[in-house]
Amino acid sequence: AQSVTQPDARVTVSEGASLQLRCKYSYSATPYLFWYVQYPRQGLQMLLKYYSGDPVVQGVNGFEAEFSKSDSSFHLRKASVHWSDSAVYFCAVSAWGGTGSKLSFGKGAKLTVSP
Amino acid sequence: EAAVTQSPRNKVTVTGGNVTLSCRQTNSHNYMYWYRQDTGHGLRLIHYSYGAGNLQIGDVPDGYKATRTTQEDFFLLLELASPSQTSLYFCASSAGGATQYFGPGTRLLVL
Repeated sequence: AQSVTQPDARVTVSEGASLQLRCKYSYSATPYLFWYVQYPRQGLQMLLKYYSGDPVVQGVNGFEAEFSKSDSSFHLRKASVHWSDSAVYFCAVSAWGGTGSKLSFGKGAKLTVSP
Repeated sequence: EAAVTQSPRNKVTVTGGNVTLSCRQTNSHNYMYWYRQDTGHGLRLIHYSYGAGNLQIGDVPDGYKATRTTQEDFFLLLELASPSQTSLYFCASSAGGATQYFGPGTRLLVL
């Protein structure tokens, strides 16, 4: 079975600083990986996804993530955070089965951007 | 972009009460999902479906039933609600690929 670990439950960074949110996954086959963001009182929105090709994928709002097969990781990065990036970020891995795909989520990382 | 709506947005019930949460998607997606979100657990899959009349068991199904009446509509039923089911519930849909699109959520409080 697939699983995702996000080791940092809460992260605080200053506005304008760089950001990295860590994600480690466990899956026996080629993973389909996602980062979702949840803004306060809203549903989840997909930031980016990866399945194959260039290990660095670009997402919305300046976010990018890098896939590492050797490290089983899919870390999210942003060069310069803005106060509006304060949200909860979820890493997820998709597994395919006979009845379609299922997403397994990490527990999330709550990002607070301080002024 | 997929459109997924949920109703009600907020619900309060008492222990033992009967609750139905509704989800509708308007993009002809085959797959629909119900999750619950709890602090410290992330999102956990309750049930999902790949078409009208189909139901698949998720990872935390106990205490929940679900029914997919049409391609658009997926319902989550709590027939004897318990305080442990107080949570934020999300519905999602997908076209059968891995990308899922989420609704705004329903906040349920069981007293």
